[in-house]
Amino acid sequence: EDQVTQSPEALRLQEGESSSLNCSYTVSGLRGLFWYRQDPGKGPEFLFTLYSAGEEKEKERLKATLTKKESFLHITAPKPEDSATYLCAVTRGSQGNLIFGKGTKLSVKP
Amino acid sequence: DAGVIQSPRHEVTEMGQEVTLRCKPISGHNSLFWYRQTMMRGLELLIYFNNNVPIDDSGMPEDRFSAKMPNASFSTLKIQPSEPRDSAVYFCASSLAGVGGNTIYFGEGSWLTVV
Repeated sequence: EDQVTQSPEALRLQEGESSSLNCSYTVSGLRGLFWYRQDPGKGPEFLFTLYSAGEEKEKERLKATLTKKESFLHITAPKPEDSATYLCAVTRGSQGNLIFGKGTKLSVKP
Repeated sequence: DAGVIQSPRHEVTEMGQEVTLRCKPISGHNSLFWYRQTMMRGLELLIYFNNNVPIDDSGMPEDRFSAKMPNASFSTLKIQPSEPRDSAVYFCASSLAGVGGNTIYFGEGSWLTVV
């Protein structure tokens, strides 16, 4: 069965304290791995797509990496405005839909 | 450009009533998705359409749920009769299938409370 597991469930950081979020997956025929950010009361907002092991993408303080079994979202020198829930999702084969993990809730304190 | 537009944003209804949620996808997108989000189960796919045709409805909980896409710019998700366990946030999303990894864009959600 296809599965996406995110850890930790919640993470509290001080402003400027770098860390990483993990997304491990078991899926046959991975087509793409996606990272989304979700703020309270809002829909998920697209951040990155990764397609193959070794690929990396960056956006401001965020960098996403992908291996054959997991992806990391690295947050460098976070700010309070980075506080949100970060969701990981995969698509496989010919299926167009996303299979989501349950997310990591990040809180960054000033 | 307008994103995915959902209505209503919030709905409170009594058990047994019919609920209709509406969605306008991003113009030009050919795939549309309905997801449900709860604290316990996270985001789950209910159904998705490609070129207005339902492709996978295995996530639809039961016969009380139905979804339609009469044209490329409109879709509805109907619950009849509604039950308290249907209380959740319902997201509509769309994408342009066949382009790269199928980036899916979400609306702001419809917050449903059934009392």
